Amino acid sequence: DAGVIQSPRHEVTEMGQEVTLRCKPISGHDYLFWYRQTMMRGLELLIYFNNNVPIDDSGMPEDRFSAKMPNASFSTLKIQPSEPRDSAVYFCASSFTPGELFFGEGSRLTVL
Amino acid sequence: DQQVKQNSPSLSVQEGRISILNCDYTNSMFDYFLWYKKYPAEGPTFLISISSIKDKNEDGRFTVFLNKSAKHLSLHIVPSQPGDSAVYFCAASATSGTYKYIFGTGTRLKVLA
Repeated sequence: DAGVIQSPRHEVTEMGQEVTLRCKPISGHDYLFWYRQTMMRGLELLIYFNNNVPIDDSGMPEDRFSAKMPNASFSTLKIQPSEPRDSAVYFCASSFTPGELFFGEGSRLTVL
Repeated sequence: DQQVKQNSPSLSVQEGRISILNCDYTNSMFDYFLWYKKYPAEGPTFLISISSIKDKNEDGRFTVFLNKSAKHLSLHIVPSQPGDSAVYFCAASATSGTYKYIFGTGTRLKVLA
């Protein structure tokens, strides 16, 4: 299996622009997680889905952040408008109930 | 409110010696714990897990210990190797409710040759 695939790997954008991060989970996994890694907070859970349904989005920092999972093989995390403090590495992970998380390689976002 | 804490941001150990990484948690509902290793520019990879029904789990050079009364777990690496140099994250979840994995801030381990 190809593993969790994230795109883009790197994104540099200007403040105020819309950013869309994409994730393809491992086939057959029923949970999908979005995490953000920062020096201060480590790996911070933003939102997670079970069978394409958002279960807990309490970690989403602001209304500027939104996530969708239209089908079992695709999810997006959108930031609109982006701000410099959103600069971080964003990870997508999937799992099969219950069990270890399999992470993608991350999307490094820089907002200027 | 940091429910999972790794109070040592970094640790240096000589090759061949034991590395001990610590993790504390505050939520008594947590009953499943995992350790992940992360190399630069890569995603975290699973290392070892432990359920609250156990107090120890071993996998090769890696052993995780769980002390439920103290809400503390530790990862032991014996013997440490230079390739073990990475950032280590502990994570916890309450499987009886949801599968929401909460991670700590990580400990950077450096194994000196």
